Amino acid sequence: DAGVIQSPRHEVTEMGQEVTLRCKPISGHDYLFWYRQTMMRGLELLIYFNNNVPIDDSGMPEDRFSAKMPNASFSTLKIQPSEPRDSAVYFCASRTGLWRTQYFGPGTRLLVL
Amino acid sequence: KNEVEQSPQNLTAQEGEFITINCSYSVGISALHWLQQHPGGGIVSLFMLSSGKKKHGRLIATINIQEKHSSLHITASHPRDSAVYICAVSESGNTPLVFGKGTRLSVIA
Repeated sequence: DAGVIQSPRHEVTEMGQEVTLRCKPISGHDYLFWYRQTMMRGLELLIYFNNNVPIDDSGMPEDRFSAKMPNASFSTLKIQPSEPRDSAVYFCASRTGLWRTQYFGPGTRLLVL
Repeated sequence: KNEVEQSPQNLTAQEGEFITINCSYSVGISALHWLQQHPGGGIVSLFMLSSGKKKHGRLIATINIQEKHSSLHITASHPRDSAVYICAVSESGNTPLVFGKGTRLSVIA
C-alpha cells in the first residue's frame, strides 16, 4: 500500500488566494483526520470524518476553512481567503475502526506571503 | 479537555546513552500513543498502549494509568534516533487524539 498520500507537498501563495490541500487515505480506512502543525501550537486537530461524514469540526479555525470528503478515497481542505497566519504544515491521517493506529501522510507545507 | 505535558522539551544525548522522555495527562484516557517525527517532517506511530509496557527493538513504552503518566525509553541511543517524539492521548476509541508539544531529541555521535 502507498500509505496516505497528500498533495501538494509544498505550497507558496499570496495572502487572499484560495488554497486547496488534498488527501487520499489508505484504502479501507474509515476514519480520516486533518491536522495542522505550527511551532507555537504543535499538532492540532482541525476536523475528522468517519465513513465520509464530518464528525467533529470544532478545531477548524474559522469560516475561511472548509473540508470535504466526497468519497472514501479523497478529501480536501480548503482555505479561502488565505492569510499569513495560516502558514503551517497540514497533515492528513487515516485509520481503520476504533482503537487503531493512525497513519500519517507526509504533510503539506504551506507558506502564505 | 485533556492537557498533555511532555518533558523535557529538548534533549541532547551522546550515542549509546539511555534516554527517557516523559508524558503526563490530566484526564483519564483509553489509549496513549507515542509518535516519532523525523527531521524531514514525516510522522510515524511507534506505540499505542492502554496499560503496562510495550517493547519494539530498542524502544520501550510504559504507562501508569493511576498516575496518568507514560514514559518512552530508548536504549543504546543512536544518531538516527534524532527526531521529535510526540505523546498523544485519546479519551475513548472514537475521540480524536490530543497531542503534547513534543520532545526534540538529538543524539550526537
